[in-house]
Amino acid sequence: SAVISQKPSRDICQRGTSLTIQCQVDSQVTMMFWYRQQPGQSLTLIATANQGSEATYESGFVIDKFPISRPNLTFSTLTVSNMSPEDSSIYLCSVEKDEVQHFGDGTRLSIL
Amino acid sequence: GIQVEQSPPDLILQEGANSTLRCNFSDSVNNLQWFHQNPWGQLINLFYIPSGTKQNGRLSATTVATERYSLLYISSSQTTDSGVYFCAAASNDYKLSFGAGTTVTVRA
Repeated sequence: SAVISQKPSRDICQRGTSLTIQCQVDSQVTMMFWYRQQPGQSLTLIATANQGSEATYESGFVIDKFPISRPNLTFSTLTVSNMSPEDSSIYLCSVEKDEVQHFGDGTRLSIL
Repeated sequence: GIQVEQSPPDLILQEGANSTLRCNFSDSVNNLQWFHQNPWGQLINLFYIPSGTKQNGRLSATTVATERYSLLYISSSQTTDSGVYFCAAASNDYKLSFGAGTTVTVRA
C-alpha cells in the first residue's frame, strides 16, 4: 500500500490569491495524480504528474491555472492560481501502487 | 473516455440489511475499482476488480467484464458503512474515470 500526506488539510483563501498544495508519498512512484471534487460531486482528474517531464492536463484544465511540480519520485505540488469562489473544492493527490489507487486525505479549499 | 454510471444514486438501509450497488461502464476495462468515501471525506480503496469476484469481510464485489458491469454487495450493514461509494474504471490507459457515486445511509 501507499501512505500519502497532503498539506494543508484545509484553507480559506481570498479571491485572486494562489495556494500551493503539497503531496508526499512514502515510496517512489512513477505517476502522481491530482483530482478535484467539487461540493457534492464526484472526482475529476485534473492532471497526471511524471517526474522529469511536464504534467499532462485533462480537458478543461490548463497549466496557467493549475501549475504542477514533480521534483522527485515521492513529491508533487499543485498550485491553484488566481482563485475564484468556483475553485472551492476538495483537491486530492493520488498514486497507484500494486494496481490499487490510493488517495491522500485531500485539501478542502474555500474561496471567499 | 470511458463513461461510468452508478445506481442507485441514494440508498437508505436499516442496520443489518443487505444491499447491492451497481456500476455500468461503456467500454472494455483493464482497471475497475470500488472506493468508499466516509463522512469525513477520506477515500478508501475497497477492491481492485477488473474481472471476477472478490470478498473482504462483509463486502464483496463481482465484475462481469463481457457485460460491462460490476456489483458491490454490502451484507449485514452497519452505521459505519455510511458514506459515498464510487466505482472508477479505466480502458486501455491509466486514467480512472469515476462514476457519480451511490450515497448510502445506514440507520441504527
